[in-house]
Amino acid sequence: GAVVSQHPSWVICKSGTSVKIECRSLDFQATTMFWYRQFPKQSLMLMATSNEGSKATYEQGVEKDKFLINHASLTLSTLTVTSAHPEDSSFYICSAREGLKNIQYFGAGTRLSVL
Amino acid sequence: RKEVEQDPGPFNVPEGATVAFNCTYSNSASQSFFWYRQDCRKEPKLLMSVYSSGNEDGRFTAQLNRASQYISLLIRDSKLSDSATYLCVVNRNTGKLIFGQGTTLQVKP
Repeated sequence: GAVVSQHPSWVICKSGTSVKIECRSLDFQATTMFWYRQFPKQSLMLMATSNEGSKATYEQGVEKDKFLINHASLTLSTLTVTSAHPEDSSFYICSAREGLKNIQYFGAGTRLSVL
Repeated sequence: RKEVEQDPGPFNVPEGATVAFNCTYSNSASQSFFWYRQDCRKEPKLLMSVYSSGNEDGRFTAQLNRASQYISLLIRDSKLSDSATYLCVVNRNTGKLIFGQGTTLQVKP
C-alpha cells in the first residue's frame, strides 16, 4: 500500500521553542493532507486540512497562528508548533489522500513532549 | 454529543472468543465508513471499509445500518494479536475522517 513518512517520530523540546514536523507521501501525489492530534486515551482529532498550493483549513478551536501548516508540494506538508508549551504535548499524526480517493494513509506519528 | 460514539471498553476476552463492537454516528450525511485498528503509541491502520451489504475479511465482519446510523464489527476466534484499540471512523461528504474514541480489546490466553 501507499506509504506516508512522518518525521521526527519523537521530539522533546523546551517551552517556548518551535517544532517542525514533516509529512511526506513516498509513492503517490497527495493533493490533500490532514493533521490530527491525539491525547492519551482520546480519539484522533482533526486539526486542519491542507491542500497543495493553498492555505490550510483549520478546525474550530485550532489556532492557525500557533499551528502553521505548509503544503508546498504534492508530496510534502509540514506542521510547525510555534512557541510550544507543555499543554501542546501530544501525539501528532498526518495522513495523505491521493486525489479524490476515499482512503487516507497515515504517517507513523510524532510524539511531542514539551518540558 | 460526539459525532461518532463507541463504548471505550476495555473488552477482556479469552482466546477463541467471538466479540462484537458497536458504533453510532450522528451525521446522516456521512458517506463512507471504516474500522481502523490502533496499537499502543502507533498510528491507526485501516482494518476494513464498511458497507450496508456487510463485508467479511477472514475472521472480521463489518456491517452498516444506515437507517439506525449504526456500525458493527464482529471478530471471530479471537487471537492474542487482535489486542488493540478499534476505531470507528466516518467520512463526511467533505472528505474529512471523524474518529470515534475507540474500543479497547484485550485478548487473554
